[in-house]
Amino acid sequence: DAGVTQSPTHLIKTRGQQVTLRCSPKSGHDTVSWYQQALGQGPQFIFQYYEEEERQRGNFPDRFSGHQFPNYSSELNVNALLLGDSALYLCASCISNNEKLFFGSGTQLSVL
Amino acid sequence: QKEVEQNSGPLSVPEGAIASLNCTYSDRVSQSFFWYRQYSGKSPELIMSIYSNGDKEDGRFTAQLNKASQYVSLLIRDSQPSDSATYLCAVSDNAGNMLTFGGGTRLMVKP
Repeated sequence: DAGVTQSPTHLIKTRGQQVTLRCSPKSGHDTVSWYQQALGQGPQFIFQYYEEEERQRGNFPDRFSGHQFPNYSSELNVNALLLGDSALYLCASCISNNEKLFFGSGTQLSVL
Repeated sequence: QKEVEQNSGPLSVPEGAIASLNCTYSDRVSQSFFWYRQYSGKSPELIMSIYSNGDKEDGRFTAQLNKASQYVSLLIRDSQPSDSATYLCAVSDNAGNMLTFGGGTRLMVKP
């Protein structure tokens, strides 16, 4: 049984570019959340998708957007990248209304 | 704004000792509490959840919750070098699955 899978594992971009990160949830899970984890800090909630709609959103600008597909997989898009967007981006999945999150291994994004 | 506070550490304990990790939270409506372990360069892994006041034990781990004091802790008995990691405290208000994480406490268990 595959857990949460994320791609790519590492990514290097320059300021102003756009990036798309991908996530496949654990089998049987229908809810996907995205978190940003800066070096030495705890994960910060970006948003959550359920039934292909954004259900909750954290304190992130509109440059951060997402999508969930009918197979429950999800994408995180970040436009107009800033140096401060450099971080580990974590995808987590769960069964709806169950708060036990399972995290993927993350995508390390470096913005130069 | 919800806040979850943890001492960043590092907390250093000798092998075999009890490691005590603490967390305070600001939002009184918080209902669910979690401890995640994160090894360097890896993703967080859920190790304990607790929902009601008191203690909850799972193997060498004990989570303690005091909602009146807005305090949650994690005790690790018989600490092993393999327990060396960052421990993240997370809380939820049950209004969906959004978790608010603390900054984590780095634990070092010395042989």
